[in-house]
Amino acid sequence: GQNIDQPTEMTATEGAIVQINCTYQTSGFNGLFWYQQHAGEAPTFLSYNVLDGLEEKGRFSSFLSRSKGYSYLLLKELQMKDSASYLCAVSGRAGGSYIPTFGRGTSLIVHP
Amino acid sequence: DGGITQSPKYLFRKEGQNVTLSCEQNLNHDAMYWYRQDPGQGLRLIYYSQIVNDFQKGDIAEGYSVSREKKESFPLTVTSAQKNPTAFYLCASSISPTYKNIQYFGAGTRLSVL
Repeated sequence: GQNIDQPTEMTATEGAIVQINCTYQTSGFNGLFWYQQHAGEAPTFLSYNVLDGLEEKGRFSSFLSRSKGYSYLLLKELQMKDSASYLCAVSGRAGGSYIPTFGRGTSLIVHP
Repeated sequence: DGGITQSPKYLFRKEGQNVTLSCEQNLNHDAMYWYRQDPGQGLRLIYYSQIVNDFQKGDIAEGYSVSREKKESFPLTVTSAQKNPTAFYLCASSISPTYKNIQYFGAGTRLSVL
């Protein structure tokens, strides 16, 4: 089985930087995903890490340490529209497939 | 435009009734998935399918059934055996259920019990 842990809620100020952490335990690790989900909407893909290190994509970066079972999503220059839930998902082996298991999500509130 | 279409957006179920949620994709993806999301919770996997005419149970399959007769379609039936069906249901697809299976989601169906 897989166990994924991330904070329930975080708040930050517009223009600031925020780091959302995710720790996991899994067998047959095959990658870690971050998704953004606005209230009442579908999740949308943000990033994918399978090797250790930092992946940067515009204002968003994601880091992975496989030995520590740890990842974080870094959001820079926060905007009001970044208020959303951020879901960490870990891909682990299930038979011949790799099915992502999702954490409970971190609700980020950005205030002026 | 390519994408995943779920219908209806809102659905109401009466006691003892089966209801079917539709999911169609035109992305030519092999794998499709159904998730359930409860308030303040993450996504929990109900069923997934890797290819046509094949599907596997996820973590919470009891009270649900699926079919995969066409590559584009993966409908979910919520049966009367599912005693707590009120939730937000999300359908997703990915190119294949193997390496780097980035999932693309539909807009969701919100199911409530009358």
